[in-house]
Amino acid sequence: GENVEQHPSTLSVQEGDSAVIKCTYSDSASNYFPWYKQELGKGPQLIIDIRSNVGEKKDQRIAVTLNKTAKHFSLHITETQPEDSAVYFCAAKGSNTGKLIFGQGTTLQVKP
Amino acid sequence: DTEVTQTPKHLVMGMTNKKSLKCEQHMGHRAMYWYKQKAKKPPELMFVYSYEKLSINESVPSRFSPECPNSSLLNLHLHALQPEDSALYLCASSQVGRPRNEQFFGPGTRLTVL
Repeated sequence: GENVEQHPSTLSVQEGDSAVIKCTYSDSASNYFPWYKQELGKGPQLIIDIRSNVGEKKDQRIAVTLNKTAKHFSLHITETQPEDSAVYFCAAKGSNTGKLIFGQGTTLQVKP
Repeated sequence: DTEVTQTPKHLVMGMTNKKSLKCEQHMGHRAMYWYKQKAKKPPELMFVYSYEKLSINESVPSRFSPECPNSSLLNLHLHALQPEDSALYLCASSQVGRPRNEQFFGPGTRLTVL
């Protein structure tokens, strides 16, 4: 079945450093890849997304890259700040059902 | 308005109670979703409504009963729940038929079943 693997499960960085979270998906027909940030006690918030016809997308300190051949996509956060601390989920939109298939999440801690 | 609202924020209920969760959006989205999220886990899809009709039911037990009374509202009726049903229940909405299909989530209802 459709599956998304996400690594690492936890990530700790110093403020100002970069953070990278990687995901691999199984369904080669997936065509939409969002990233969500979830702070404690809140719902997931869409922070950036990418479609399968694009290789990279940037929004200020956040960027997402997609390698369709390898079925990998990654989230890059530069100049991290303590308020970036949260759980991040990647997802891939399944081709057959249109459902979002989520990765298991990465807990990012940014130390001041 | 890009907001999905959910009420109540917290809910504690006994196993014999009947309660309802409510979700509302005014973005003109015609797809609405219920997800269940356990601590430190990703959201799990429960139900999808498309144009106010149930299109996906992920084999959810009948003690959970969804309802979509109009294009802006989504309810989840709860009856005879079990303690293992305690979780964060998230509502989301999206456009229908768009390739991007971005889903916007509400803040969730934290449910505790005693």
